[in-house]
Amino acid sequence: EAGVAQSPRYKIIEKRQSVAFWCNPISGHATLYWYQQILGQGPKLLIQFQNNGVVDDSQLPKDRFSAERLKGVDSTLKIQPAKLEDSAVYLCASTRGQGSSYGYTFGSGTRLTVV
Amino acid sequence: GENVEQHPSTLSVQEGDSAVIKCTYSDSASNYFPWYKQELGKRPQLIIDIRSNVGEKKDQRIAVTLNKTAKHFSLHITETQPEDSAVYFCAAGYSTLTFGKGTMLLVSP
Repeated sequence: EAGVAQSPRYKIIEKRQSVAFWCNPISGHATLYWYQQILGQGPKLLIQFQNNGVVDDSQLPKDRFSAERLKGVDSTLKIQPAKLEDSAVYLCASTRGQGSSYGYTFGSGTRLTVV
Repeated sequence: GENVEQHPSTLSVQEGDSAVIKCTYSDSASNYFPWYKQELGKRPQLIIDIRSNVGEKKDQRIAVTLNKTAKHFSLHITETQPEDSAVYFCAAGYSTLTFGKGTMLLVSP
């Protein structure tokens, strides 16, 4: 089966600019997650979708971050305006069923550098 | 929410030695405990996992143990090889996963 697809792989922007990341999960995977991984740290959850509904966005900085999953398939994560501390790898993951215990499959990530 | 502590942050061993990485978690509702291996510039990849109804699981050279009472779980790698060198993350959760900060394992030939 095809893996989790993410684009772009790399992005460099200036602070205060906006940026968007795209994720296409494994076909048939109902649950989709966005994680932020700052260099030298473990991934940190930003948002969890079940089909096209938000299950958990408690750690999403909603003043600048937004995410959507229209039609329950692809998802887009947006940052507007970006800050220097947003420099990180943004990982998308999907699971077959509801909940993490089905096991995450991660995409290759988008490495964002804010200068 | 869940809090996962992971130790050590770095671990250097000689090829053929064993390596042990330990994690503790805070939320007694967590029922799934995976371990991920991440090589430089690559995605985290699941190497082994354990569920709360199991105390130990083994897959060739790697094993994971879980002590629910003490809320800690460990990864054991035997007969380490240079290709085991990577960053290893533990995680815990039920609906979503909370990750530890990672352990950089260096295996010297």
